[in-house]
Amino acid sequence: DADVTQTPRNRITKTGKRIMLECSQTKGHDRMYWYRQDPGLGLRLIYYSFDVKDINKGEISDGYSVSRQAQAKFSLSLESAIPNQTALYFCATSDWRATEAFFGQGTRLTVV
Amino acid sequence: ELKVEQNPLFLSMQEGKNYTIYCNYSTTSDRLYWYRQDPGKSLESLFVLLSNGAVKQEGRLMASLDTKARLSTLHITAAVHDLSATYFCAGGPTPLVFGKGTRLSVIA
Repeated sequence: DADVTQTPRNRITKTGKRIMLECSQTKGHDRMYWYRQDPGLGLRLIYYSFDVKDINKGEISDGYSVSRQAQAKFSLSLESAIPNQTALYFCATSDWRATEAFFGQGTRLTVV
Repeated sequence: ELKVEQNPLFLSMQEGKNYTIYCNYSTTSDRLYWYRQDPGKSLESLFVLLSNGAVKQEGRLMASLDTKARLSTLHITAAVHDLSATYFCAGGPTPLVFGKGTRLSVIA
């Protein structure tokens, strides 16, 4: 099984719909992250969490919210999806030393 | 606020040639990461550089870190087609801040 699992892997949704992307990890790490990837823009940080009670906004948090349900689970929600949120979304984890960050397989989201 | 810039953003190389990808960062970062991404895939960790002067090599790829110059390089030796991918550098420790990536195409 993958260390970091994202569901769903692909999703097409309509403008205005609420959608949740889920991430779970088996690494036992405290730190979890959500990134968005757009062609030519690299990965941009949406939200991050250093432990269950800690949630922080990243560079592009507007239009998104997150929930850290447990150490192993970190969900990203789009309250009212819009077409420019069409992107590839990655969840990642690391321990506090951050000697390596582990990435999920990504969720390709299309908003029509 | 840490900012990371990579250049070039696009690189077309002939097989057998050498080239270097550059990664500059704006503020103190005590570690630098290099990742590879194949189209539609996740990120694969290549190197983590933890100190000034660090050099790591894996096959045809060699990464180095100069913290005084705020510069990391990824050197490609004798490129082969299998190295075609997008390469990202990222500054840390956490959360990682990524450059925009270098799309490498190795052609015969």
